[in-house]
Amino acid sequence: QSALTQPPSASGSPGQSVTISCTGTSSDVDDYNYVSWYQQHPGKAPKLMIYEVTKRPSGVPDRFSGSKSGNTASLTVSGLQAEDEADYYCTSYAGTNNYVFGTGTKVTVL
Amino acid sequence: QVQLVESGGGVVQPGRSLRLSCVASGFIFSNYAVHWVRQAPGKGLEWVASISYDGGNKYYADSVKGRFTISRDNSKITVYLQMNSLRAEDTALYYCARGGGWYFFDHWGQGALVTVSS
Repeated sequence: QSALTQPPSASGSPGQSVTISCTGTSSDVDDYNYVSWYQQHPGKAPKLMIYEVTKRPSGVPDRFSGSKSGNTASLTVSGLQAEDEADYYCTSYAGTNNYVFGTGTKVTVL
Repeated sequence: QVQLVESGGGVVQPGRSLRLSCVASGFIFSNYAVHWVRQAPGKGLEWVASISYDGGNKYYADSVKGRFTISRDNSKITVYLQMNSLRAEDTALYYCARGGGWYFFDHWGQGALVTVSS
């Protein structure tokens, strides 16, 4: 199972929006509404930000939103804040009880 | 609050074995699946293995199938990852994560570092 493709980096100024794409295949992203997104600050454990494509866990700001079209999922961070600077990973269920992660995107707040 | 604490990491020679433990607290452990996810130094995340709430179902990534075994003891609120025939490419920080549903990981531990080197 190949990793999902994410852009290596993305950036925006405070208050702006940034969107990160996550491209898979017909065997994972396109086939299941089980895409989730994780934020990871340096030296820290990942944190769940979005699950099942669009759902936000309690405590995650509504500035974070998810969507999907075909084999590409997206995470949008609106109203960028300094604390949003981190690595972001998508993951998708890939059938037969397998999961595939994305390659990761480093978000920089300019 | 939900807490997961990994232990058992260390430096091990290629071909040898190591067992990681993940002790849970703050939730009804026997109601949840648990997963292991690893991250090689400077690299991305990779799913390793999953176990259902009752231990009846276990699944593995192809990269570790036949070498790693996931298990759990609900009476000890602990999940284990037995790693045999370790290779250099298994060097990573190993996280245990609670399954929020079967399809995502809603709480993570801080990780246990495994280094495979001669």
